[in-house]
Amino acid sequence: NAGVTQTPKFQVLKTGQSMTLQCAQDMNHEYMSWYRQDPGMGLRLIHYSVGAGITDQGEVPNGYNVSRSTTEDFPLRLLSAAPSQTSVYFCASSRLANYEQYFGPGTRLTVT
Amino acid sequence: RKEVEQDPGPFNVPEGATVAFNCTYSNSASQSFFWYRQDCRKEPKLLMSVYSSGNEDGRFTAQLNRASQYISLLIRDSKLSDSATYLCAVNMRGTGFQKLVFGTGTRLLVSP
Repeated sequence: NAGVTQTPKFQVLKTGQSMTLQCAQDMNHEYMSWYRQDPGMGLRLIHYSVGAGITDQGEVPNGYNVSRSTTEDFPLRLLSAAPSQTSVYFCASSRLANYEQYFGPGTRLTVT
Repeated sequence: RKEVEQDPGPFNVPEGATVAFNCTYSNSASQSFFWYRQDCRKEPKLLMSVYSSGNEDGRFTAQLNRASQYISLLIRDSKLSDSATYLCAVNMRGTGFQKLVFGTGTRLLVSP
């Protein structure tokens, strides 16, 4: 099993550009989530999903969209990148039964 | 008040010492509790789940105190390799579904 995979590993965007961060898992987990991690702020939940077609907002959803069309994939879209979105983004997945989340390796995003 | 709070540290301890971290949570209805370990510039990795009766894994012991709404992590006989940031996570109800919320992490530095 590959576990949770994320692409790209690194990305530099200009202000106003849009892009999609990809996340996939092969563990048949129902629950998937996106976090951003900034120095001193810990992991902050952006959006999460409890199954295909079901998503909900986390703590910091503004400027991000998600969709969950399959169990495996949970892409995160930045609509119009801003410097405040410079961060490390982690995707995670778990079974709904236990919430033991497994994380992907992260995407380091810089917006200039 | 934050939903999940941790002392950011750093905790500086010598090899062989015993060190304990606490994590407080705000939602008394929370049912799932976890400790994660995060190394510098890496993804968080599940260290252990925290059960009502407490649990132990080698040198690591986790406890849950529901009355005071906190979980704890005890590390005995600290090793240099234990140096990392330790994150607690607690499940809470979001606007629609359960979500996992992380603390900001406690940094541990073990010195020779």
